[in-house]
Amino acid sequence: ETGVTQTPRHLVMGMTNKKSLKCEQHLGHNAMYWYKQSAKKPLELMFVYNFKEQTENNSVPSRFSPECPNSSHLFLHLHTLQPEDSALYLCASSQMTRTSGPDTQYFGPGTRLTVL
Amino acid sequence: GESVGLHLPTLSVQEGDNSIINCAYSNSASDYFIWYKQESGKGPQFIIDIRSNMDKRQGQRVTVLLNKTVKHLSLQIAATQPGDSAVYFCAEKGTGTASKLTFGTGTRLQVTL
Repeated sequence: ETGVTQTPRHLVMGMTNKKSLKCEQHLGHNAMYWYKQSAKKPLELMFVYNFKEQTENNSVPSRFSPECPNSSHLFLHLHTLQPEDSALYLCASSQMTRTSGPDTQYFGPGTRLTVL
Repeated sequence: GESVGLHLPTLSVQEGDNSIINCAYSNSASDYFIWYKQESGKGPQFIIDIRSNMDKRQGQRVTVLLNKTVKHLSLQIAATQPGDSAVYFCAEKGTGTASKLTFGTGTRLQVTL
């Protein structure tokens, strides 16, 4: 088992719903990430938080809103999603240094999201 | 732009044989490489990593080889077991503090009995 947990593991929502995904890391890392994994596509980086500050937003639509209240917790708030947003959403954490950048990323089990 | 790709989408190996999964990368400035294993219904699991100042690194039943001349990375699994069945993908990171991991699409390893 990794030290990164995600809840819920499965989520089905309508396009008008609002829901949140939660991630918690128990590894003492200072960087956290949200990725989207769709079938037959490479992992797509969505957001990066270093030292609790958002440092990356890879042109993600505003219907996805991240929140990082502390270095151990990361949320992804979902609002008015589209069916094409259905995917596996993965959270990861790593240790980031100001001199060498990110180290190995450790992933959670993911949330399987289905948008109807 | 930089890309990380895998030569074979599916690899079928008999139990007990050795497996070799290949990965090509295009960013010659990449200095850090990771192999991940992803089983069905689970998140990617770190297997082994290697830095660009090395050409080989061994773990438990796994070996990663790095050939910087041809920008090629491989993962060798010795005595493949049914529990090794999963999707394997490589990731590479360029130099600099702002660089991100770039992931390949993955190779599915099927272990036959």
